[in-house]
Amino acid sequence: DTAVSQTPKYLVTQMGNDKSIKCEQNLGHDTMYWYKQDSKKFLKIMFSYNNKELIINETVPNRFSPKSPDKAHLNLHINSLELGDSAVYFCASSLLGSGNTIYFGEGSWLTVV
Amino acid sequence: DQQVKQNSPSLSVQEGRISILNCDYTNSMFDYFLWYKKYPAEGPTFLISISSIKDKNEDGRFTVFLNKSAKHLSLHIVPSQPGDSAVYFCAASARNAGKSTFGDGTTLTVKP
Repeated sequence: DTAVSQTPKYLVTQMGNDKSIKCEQNLGHDTMYWYKQDSKKFLKIMFSYNNKELIINETVPNRFSPKSPDKAHLNLHINSLELGDSAVYFCASSLLGSGNTIYFGEGSWLTVV
Repeated sequence: DQQVKQNSPSLSVQEGRISILNCDYTNSMFDYFLWYKKYPAEGPTFLISISSIKDKNEDGRFTVFLNKSAKHLSLHIVPSQPGDSAVYFCAASARNAGKSTFGDGTTLTVKP
């Protein structure tokens, strides 16, 4: 069984469109994350949710809106897509607290043309 | 301000030899450090970790060393195998921070 699953895996879309990436975890974790890996391969946190509440927002543009309907789901909606949004987006989950292992999904490759 | 740095973007070693991947950090509040391994087209997977109260943790062929005074940690893989070829990310977390901060990654290539 896939622990952290995200869909779609690949997404090609035009500038200005709105798109969503869905994420689900079946590990019973209380914290979920969205990370972005850009063209330079840096892996940077975007958002973190604990028990459906936003706890970290790393100065991400307002066009990015995460939504957590329950502890097992954290979806990412992106409005008015720009070329610079092209990246790999990783969903992840863990138990809250220092030292707890983060489990990542396989990534969603977003290309904006 | 990049709090976790992996200064070597790539490393190439011969099969059977030791691979040493390095990581430096600046935030003295970090109290837990992890290494993740990432294959192409996959998400990072946990490899090994170390608490700040220790200076060494070993798991099979993988050993992580922590030098708190130098704010430096390293991952040793011995003997290296071709299947170890991947991108290795160093990560650090602070108590109650709610997140882990990742380094830039080092691409390891183990040649047969």
